[in-house]
Amino acid sequence: QKEVEQDPGPLSVPEGAIVSLNCTYSNSAFQYFMWYRQYSRKGPELLMYTYSSGNKEDGRFTAQVDKSSKYISLFIRDSQPSDSATYLCALIISNFGNEKLTFGTGTRLTIIP
Amino acid sequence: DTAVSQTPKYLVTQMGNDKSIKCEQNLGHDTMYWYKQDSKKFLKIMFSYNNKELIINETVPNRFSPKSPDKAHLNLHINSLELGDSAVYFCASSQVLASGETYNEQFFGPGTRLTVL
Repeated sequence: QKEVEQDPGPLSVPEGAIVSLNCTYSNSAFQYFMWYRQYSRKGPELLMYTYSSGNKEDGRFTAQVDKSSKYISLFIRDSQPSDSATYLCALIISNFGNEKLTFGTGTRLTIIP
Repeated sequence: DTAVSQTPKYLVTQMGNDKSIKCEQNLGHDTMYWYKQDSKKFLKIMFSYNNKELIINETVPNRFSPKSPDKAHLNLHINSLELGDSAVYFCASSQVLASGETYNEQFFGPGTRLTVL
C-alpha cells in the first residue's frame, strides 16, 4: 500500500463547476500538506500548503485537512479552463534539513469551456 | 531569470550508455533534490543534498550518482542506462529556514525527459 493514495482520474468538469480533489494517507507522522499543480510538460508548482486540520482558503482554492481521518482535499470554485492540469497532493514529515516530499499519484483535471 | 534550470530538456539514448543531466538554481537555496516521474505521473524523490552534502538517498540503484560541485548545482550521472530508466527527471531546490516551523517550498525545474531505447 502506498503511503499516499490519490484518485488518478482523469476528471472532466464544465467551466464554472466546483472541483473536489482528494488524497488519503497512512502515516500519521506527516505534518505538512501541500497541493502542487503541474501543467503538461512543466515542473510542479506549489499551489497551497497547510499544517493543521481545518480549511485554508486562497482565492478560488480551498485546502482542507482532516488529520483524524488522514484525509486531505482541494476544492476549486468557479473552475476555469486554465485550471486544467494535473494536481498532486504532497505530504512531508519535515525533519529539519531533511524534507522528503511524498507525492500522491496526481489527478488529471480538464475544465471544459 | 530562470529559477531552477535543467539541461538537456530531452535526452534520447541507447541502453547501456552513460549520460548526465545538469541542474542549476539561482535562488541562493542550500538544498537541492532529484525526483523521478514515471509514465503514470508518479513523482518520487531520489536524492537530496544540503550544502553539497548527501542527505536523502532513496534506495536508488548505484548506477545513479548525484554530484554537487557547489550549492547552486546538482548533477545526475547515470551509468549503464536501462529501459526502465525512461522517465522525466525533475530537479528542485529549497531553503531550510532556521525556525524549522514553516514548510520550505521546493521549486521545481522544467524536467528532463529521458528516453532509453
